[in-house]
Amino acid sequence: DAGVTQSPTHLIKTRGQQVTLRCSPKSGHDTVSWYQQALGQGPQFIFQYYEEEERQRGNFPDRFSGHQFPNYSSELNVNALLLGDSALYLCASSLGLASYEQYFGPGTRLTVT
Amino acid sequence: AQTVTQSQPEMSVQEAETVTLSCTYDTSESDYYLFWYKQPPSRQMILVIRQEAYKQQNATENRFSVNFQKAAKSFSLKISDSQLGDAAMYFCASMDSNYQLIWGAGTKLIIKP
Repeated sequence: DAGVTQSPTHLIKTRGQQVTLRCSPKSGHDTVSWYQQALGQGPQFIFQYYEEEERQRGNFPDRFSGHQFPNYSSELNVNALLLGDSALYLCASSLGLASYEQYFGPGTRLTVT
Repeated sequence: AQTVTQSQPEMSVQEAETVTLSCTYDTSESDYYLFWYKQPPSRQMILVIRQEAYKQQNATENRFSVNFQKAAKSFSLKISDSQLGDAAMYFCASMDSNYQLIWGAGTKLIIKP
């Protein structure tokens, strides 16, 4: 049973560029949530996707956008990268919106120079 | 809005001894969930233990147990018979009625052999 997978593992971008991170949920899960974890801090909720729509959003600017595909996989896009966007981006999947069980992927480490 | 506070940036314990990690939270909701997650150097968040707020009995998972004090809004994690593999960052988190995880800043646990 495949768990949550994320790609790439890490990447380095320059300020002003755009980046796309990918997540495949655990088998059988249909909901994907994204979190940003800055160095030395706890994660912060970015947004959640269910049925290919953004259902909830945390306190993040519009530069952060996402997408969910019919196979439930998801992408996180960040435009006009800032140095402050450097962080570990975690993807979590669950079954349905009203679920307290979230399974996490290994994360993507983004460094903006 | 919910908040979660972990006041211990770092804790250390001798192998085979017991250690307690502290967490306090604030919420106006009557029904919520509380979690302890472990994040080893591999970065993947691993669920350690979960507590439903409506349950008075403290949750236990093998060597891990919690002390849930609802009135005091306290949720500490006790690790018995500490093992080298327990070394990691430990995050306390709460889940509100939107099923979003709200995280503390984490406690780094060091196990001394």
